Amino acid sequence: QVQLRESGPGLVKPSETLSLICTVSGVSISPSYWSWIRQPPGRGLEWIGYIYYTGTTNYNPSLKSRVTISVDTSKNQFSLSLSSVTAADTAIYYCARDYSGAYVFDYWGQGALVTVSS
Amino acid sequence: EIVMTQTPLSLSVTPGQPASISCKSSRSLLHSDGKTYLYWYLQRPGQSPQLLIYEVSSRFSGVPDRFSGSGSGTDFTLKISRVEAEDVGVYYCMEATHLPRTFGQGTKVEIK
Repeated sequence: QVQLRESGPGLVKPSETLSLICTVSGVSISPSYWSWIRQPPGRGLEWIGYIYYTGTTNYNPSLKSRVTISVDTSKNQFSLSLSSVTAADTAIYYCARDYSGAYVFDYWGQGALVTVSS
Repeated sequence: EIVMTQTPLSLSVTPGQPASISCKSSRSLLHSDGKTYLYWYLQRPGQSPQLLIYEVSSRFSGVPDRFSGSGSGTDFTLKISRVEAEDVGVYYCMEATHLPRTFGQGTKVEIK
């Protein structure tokens, strides 16, 4: 079955770069869009951005200056990089399959809690 | 950026009774291709969100038929015909007609 799994450091220092990888299994990463979404503790969902398997990206304007999403089709993975983090970036980060035909966000990872603290 | 406004923000429902959640967008969600990309998700406590409804009114695979979605343009509704204990959680609407993708604030549903 389709599974997504986020991996990366759970603690990042302020001003440093948050990096996460999403490993996809059970389905090829192409030809779909893949997103990162985050959820601060006790709060709602915020879309960070997506990447198409070809490498085309689109980012939320609120984070665009600090976000990079990349894809490695050979490993069936895509990744998130968020620079210059502050405490406000503390959140559960989810990866999810974005648009694939009619569905959007039909598969999600279990989420990775990333805390920004010195 | 589209603003998605859900009401109410919380709902307490007796099992077996209906529930309804409204989602209003600040602009029409009708795409130039004729489709309306409005989705509903349920996030159960401690879990990742899961897709319930896609393109306004289509139930995702495995979603019970007590869930239904309706609406057009800027006004949308999720209805649960008879709430069950497993329906507890936070419900989010989300629009994918425009970019960036935008979620509603969420509606917390609890059982009385």
